[in-house]
Amino acid sequence: AQSVAQPEDQVNVAEGNPLTVKCTYSVSGNPYLFWYVQYPNRGLQFLLKYITGDNLVKGSYGFEAEFNKSQTSFHLKKPSALVSDSALYFCAVRAFNQGGKLIFGQGTELSVKP
Amino acid sequence: DAGVIQSPRHEVTEMGQEVTLRCKPISGHNSLFWYRQTMMRGLELLIYFNNNVPIDDSGMPEDRFSAKMPNASFSTLKIQPSEPRDSAVYFCASSLDRNTEAFFGQGTRLTVV
Repeated sequence: AQSVAQPEDQVNVAEGNPLTVKCTYSVSGNPYLFWYVQYPNRGLQFLLKYITGDNLVKGSYGFEAEFNKSQTSFHLKKPSALVSDSALYFCAVRAFNQGGKLIFGQGTELSVKP
Repeated sequence: DAGVIQSPRHEVTEMGQEVTLRCKPISGHNSLFWYRQTMMRGLELLIYFNNNVPIDDSGMPEDRFSAKMPNASFSTLKIQPSEPRDSAVYFCASSLDRNTEAFFGQGTRLTVV
């Protein structure tokens, strides 16, 4: 069965510092990987995706993520964090050969302090 | 496009009552998901439709929950009878096909008292 793990419930960084939010996955076949962000009392917003091709993908708001097949990871990164990046971040995986259902990790709360 | 539209935004009901949540996916999308979000359990996939057909309903908690998608532009999630432990935010999401990103509605906050 497919699954996604986000090992950190919370990540704290200072504004201007680089940030990393970790994600590992388990799926048979080629994974389709996604990152979403959720602000308080809002729905989830799509940030970026990896389907195939370059392992480094760029997304909205300056975020990027690196796909590492050998480590089965898809960590979210940003070179310089902003206070406004503070939110809940979800990693997700779809497996085409498993019907295409979209499974989410448990979420990581990112807090960026001035 | 207006995005995924869910109604109502908030619902407060008494235990034992029937609750129906509604979702209009983005036009042209052929995959639809219902999720439940709680502090304890995070974001759980309840059911997933593709081309209006339920593909995976293994996340539906119990027989009190049912979901339908009578056509490509409408889906419902029904809870009957409702219980306090069903209190959560319920999200609907749709995607163009089986390997693309999903877009979420604003959610329905359900409170069962």
